[in-house]
Amino acid sequence: GAVVSQHPSWVICKSGTSVKIECRSLDFQATTMFWYRQFPKQSLMLMATSNEGSKATYEQGVEKDKFLINHASLTLSTLTVTSAHPEDSSFYICSASPGGQPLPNTEAFFGQGTRLTVV
Amino acid sequence: RKEVEQDPGPFNVPEGATVAFNCTYSNSASQSFFWYRQDCRKEPKLLMSVYSSGNEDGRFTAQLNRASQYISLLIRDSKLSDSATYLCVVNIAFIDTDKLIFGTGTRLQVFP
Repeated sequence: GAVVSQHPSWVICKSGTSVKIECRSLDFQATTMFWYRQFPKQSLMLMATSNEGSKATYEQGVEKDKFLINHASLTLSTLTVTSAHPEDSSFYICSASPGGQPLPNTEAFFGQGTRLTVV
Repeated sequence: RKEVEQDPGPFNVPEGATVAFNCTYSNSASQSFFWYRQDCRKEPKLLMSVYSSGNEDGRFTAQLNRASQYISLLIRDSKLSDSATYLCVVNIAFIDTDKLIFGTGTRLQVFP
């Protein structure tokens, strides 16, 4: 099946620093990728939709200046958490579907997730 | 009200038991429906899509009732390896894109 690779799988950083997370589709092109965040014992919450060659679309309540998204190629999207604070500690996970958007009945493939801890 | 609601559990069942999970969704624009499985500290993986006519995959049976906006998952003959969190997921069509909306998940623990 399709593979989405996310890196790093975990990162610990100091408060105030920035962290970049990469999401790659390994065997298909993805014009659209999605970034989610999951706090312990909670659901995956969509943060933003990453669009190749154009600006990302952010969900309500997600600060676009804090969570910078770049989708420079059809196989790579990056999420940068700027000036990270302890409350940003979470599990960040990306997804993509062959063909782009998660069309009805099309499986979405997820990266392995990145566990961010800000100390 | 949450867009997708599930009983968080946990459901603690012995091996061999049958267990059922329920899910309700609020957005009538929902187009398609899925059950994903998520193991602790791992990414979600598709378990099965859910069709209006109901569908079965081995020990797993999924049903959808569009009128009641209700989805279910039945697991028969539970195995230890079924222990995980089961996520009810709904694909909703928006103007610019489709989006997957996740329930909080129902945790299943199968014991020997």
